[in-house]
Amino acid sequence: QAQLVQSGAEVRKPGASVKVSCRASGYAFVGYFIHWVRQAPGQGLEWMGRINPKTGGTNYTQDFQGRVTMTRDTSINTVYMELDSLTSDDTAVYFCARQSGLIFGDIWGQGTLVIASS
Amino acid sequence: QSVLTQTASLSGSPGQSITMSCTGTNNDVGNYDLVSWFQQHSGEAPKLLIHRVSQRPSGVSDRFSGSKSGNTASLTISGLQAEDEAEYFCCSYAGSSTYVFGSGTKVTVL
Repeated sequence: QAQLVQSGAEVRKPGASVKVSCRASGYAFVGYFIHWVRQAPGQGLEWMGRINPKTGGTNYTQDFQGRVTMTRDTSINTVYMELDSLTSDDTAVYFCARQSGLIFGDIWGQGTLVIASS
Repeated sequence: QSVLTQTASLSGSPGQSITMSCTGTNNDVGNYDLVSWFQQHSGEAPKLLIHRVSQRPSGVSDRFSGSKSGNTASLTISGLQAEDEAEYFCCSYAGSSTYVFGSGTKVTVL
């Protein structure tokens, strides 16, 4: 069945970067946008942006513009989300989620905990 | 990035119905019929309950229903069950290929 599997937890020092992966299986990878959503401890969901795996085209929310980069590798059905200049406020669980046509979030990854701490 | 406004918490007894709201603006909820609702149990990934305002994905119980009026979307849970205790988030398309989430509603089953 279709699923998204994310990379494991990461710990980084403030000012560093982190790159999280999301591997798709069970469906045609290039046919569906992948979104990234994060959730700080005890907080709500925050939409970060999305990537079109077919073209590599991206859309980011202004809150992360210039600090986030989403890429993909079609040879291994994987998308990546890299976040630069980490601060403690970036400590969160990061989720990838699929968009199917007009339906956002029909499938989600399991989440990746990123901790930014000195 | 603005956040859609949701009631922080709701509670109900088993078998009751509850309705939660999600208020946005003319730039998101009011302008597009692309409102989704997600259920999130503690420590888990969100699960899609409703898309395009009122459409249920295959496998989602018909106890969950969605609607929209103006800038406010609503999610109703009928016949409340213990397993419905979770946090619920709305999400709307906000134009220019961007999306915005609600602040979340925590549901407690008494």
